Amino acid sequence: AQKITQTQPGMFVQEKEAVTLDCTYDTSDQSYGLFWYKQPSSGEMIFLIYQGSYDEQNATEGRYSLNFQKARKSANLVISASQLGDSAMYFCAMREVEDSSYKLIFGSGTRLLVRP
Amino acid sequence: DVKVTQSSRYLVKRTGEKVFLECVQDMDHENMFWYRQDPGLGLRLIYFSYDVKMKEKGDIPEGYSVSREKKERFSLILESASTNQTSMYLCASVHSGAGRFSQYFGPGTRLTVL
Repeated sequence: AQKITQTQPGMFVQEKEAVTLDCTYDTSDQSYGLFWYKQPSSGEMIFLIYQGSYDEQNATEGRYSLNFQKARKSANLVISASQLGDSAMYFCAMREVEDSSYKLIFGSGTRLLVRP
Repeated sequence: DVKVTQSSRYLVKRTGEKVFLECVQDMDHENMFWYRQDPGLGLRLIYFSYDVKMKEKGDIPEGYSVSREKKERFSLILESASTNQTSMYLCASVHSGAGRFSQYFGPGTRLTVL
């Protein structure tokens, strides 16, 4: 069963507008972490934001915020005031803390295109 | 800043060749990973290592092997490259401690097998 689901293969957003990228996850663990990465056309994976399952507040990092809804098992990324440089692939990932390997499980990604 | 480097950004090989992809990290991390990335599939874990000479299979280890002789270096080996191994390969290392967990990625190697 897929553990991380990103249902939007591609998204468009107008420059300066906000956009939400969806991510749902599946785990039976109580302790886990959720990550969002950005991958520009250069290929490098850039860490954006992290949310722990026990964190009471939604994580924020500059223009990025994570809309964490634990009961719905969703961890959507919100990018405010989109910029042209935000055009990239975005991946949601999860780490199950009980898994001592530290590996991340990734979704299939969403390609975001910011229109001028 | 943590730095993870990969030996090549682009590589073209022929079917049947033995291929080495090298990854080096400079932060004394114990845990290192090799992923492959394909369109529509995201990143899938091939192998990981949690110490020198220690390795574990990930989700798609078939056709690959790894080597970790030194802590800073984790090599992915394609014993006999095939066209279905054409992909983007990403190496990562992990820092975990003081309540924080971070996975740092290298720039990736785009491998084409002809």
